[in-house]
Amino acid sequence: GAGVSQSPSNKVTEKGKDVELRCDPISGHTALYWYRQSLGQGLEFLIYFQGNSAPDKSGLPSDRFSAERTGGSVSTLTIQRTQQEDSAVYLCASSSRLITDTQYFGPGTRLTVL
Amino acid sequence: AQKVTQAQTEISVVEKEDVTLDCVYETRDTTYYLFWYKQPPSGELVFLIRRNSFDEQNEISGRYSWNFQKSTSSFNFTITASQVVDSAVYFCALSEGHAGNNRKLIWGLGTSLAVNP
Repeated sequence: GAGVSQSPSNKVTEKGKDVELRCDPISGHTALYWYRQSLGQGLEFLIYFQGNSAPDKSGLPSDRFSAERTGGSVSTLTIQRTQQEDSAVYLCASSSRLITDTQYFGPGTRLTVL
Repeated sequence: AQKVTQAQTEISVVEKEDVTLDCVYETRDTTYYLFWYKQPPSGELVFLIRRNSFDEQNEISGRYSWNFQKSTSSFNFTITASQVVDSAVYFCALSEGHAGNNRKLIWGLGTSLAVNP
């Protein structure tokens, strides 16, 4: 079956612009995670969605970051007024709702803010 | 607080050598999960293994083996007879296992393994 997909694969933007990153989880997976991978910070959790529950936004670095998940499937991560420090690879993962779930990752979106 | 430490930043070996990647973790929870992921040059994170805190049995999968020791809070990964295709960054990660809660992964900084022909 299809894995997690993300688009675009690469995004170059100018400082101050808004960007939207998309994630399509594995069909049937109820949990969805966004992570950021940057050279200085390694892999960091950003936000978590589980079914229709309120998301856990505790990892979002600032109020310029937001995410939504429509219909319990596709998720969009939005970064407003991008800054150079937002440059990173943004990774999406999904998992099933089993106790011993495992997160499966998409290929990521490489964001470069000029 | 949870923490994962991969002390080896980079390792370089010659093909067919055995190599062990170290992982030490910290958590106050009694129920938790440990993971290893592989990130090849293509960039996609590939799941390798998950262990729960109640199962300390070592595991072998082909040339890969994992040694989980709660007494030393370690979850080390050994590749036997390494191959060039094993060249990648390997990440160790930890999550706490409360069913229904956010099972976010806490990551080590990764070990970059280069296997030279």
